[in-house]
Amino acid sequence: EIVLTQSPGTLSLSPGERATLSCRASQSVSSSYLAWYQQKPGQAPRLLIYGASSRATGIPDRFSGSGSGTDFTLTISRLEPEDFAVYYCQQYGSSFTFGQGTRLEIK
Amino acid sequence: EVQLVESGGGLVQPGGSLRLSCAASGFIFSSYWMSWVRQAPGKGLEWVANIKQDGSEKYYVDSVKGRFTISRDNAKNSLYLQMDSLRAEDTAVYYCARYRRGFYYYMDVWGKGTTVTVSS
Repeated sequence: EIVLTQSPGTLSLSPGERATLSCRASQSVSSSYLAWYQQKPGQAPRLLIYGASSRATGIPDRFSGSGSGTDFTLTISRLEPEDFAVYYCQQYGSSFTFGQGTRLEIK
Repeated sequence: EVQLVESGGGLVQPGGSLRLSCAASGFIFSSYWMSWVRQAPGKGLEWVANIKQDGSEKYYVDSVKGRFTISRDNAKNSLYLQMDSLRAEDTAVYYCARYRRGFYYYMDVWGKGTTVTVSS
């Protein structure tokens, strides 16, 4: 089973700042099978990025994904108040696994 | 509007059974793989099971194999999760999700979830 490790566990930033979230895999992952989700308290996850770098429908262009192999990154260029949430990466190898999440909180 | 609505959650004793349902609308249900994903209280997301469009392929996380069964009724646009021999560690919010499986693999539509509590 491929393990995804997200860092940092918690990221404290202010609106307008740039956020960089990391997702590292225990073995190489196909970029086609790497996705990012956003989850706000009491809500279902929301797809942000699929294929490591493709934005889902309706996702603002301040969200971008990059990476390959074992290292992937989600970047939010200029934080808006509604972006403070928990972010999960997900991969498909022989089965789906999720990272443990990065909590993005207001500083 | 594309929508998934889960139901069937509740309080059940350890060793008991529960059947979750997910009603799909706004898309051609029979054309998509579907998934169940759960989230224990205060924890992260855990994939539980997938099912192919015609139900011919089913996959499970190891921790539920032999206890949970995923199924679907395309005529009713519905997905199900039969959960038997429930344990305290199965306590979670259970989400139904549409699973896109082509060149890319990801879950693009999610329901709001239904809560399962396993406790005596």
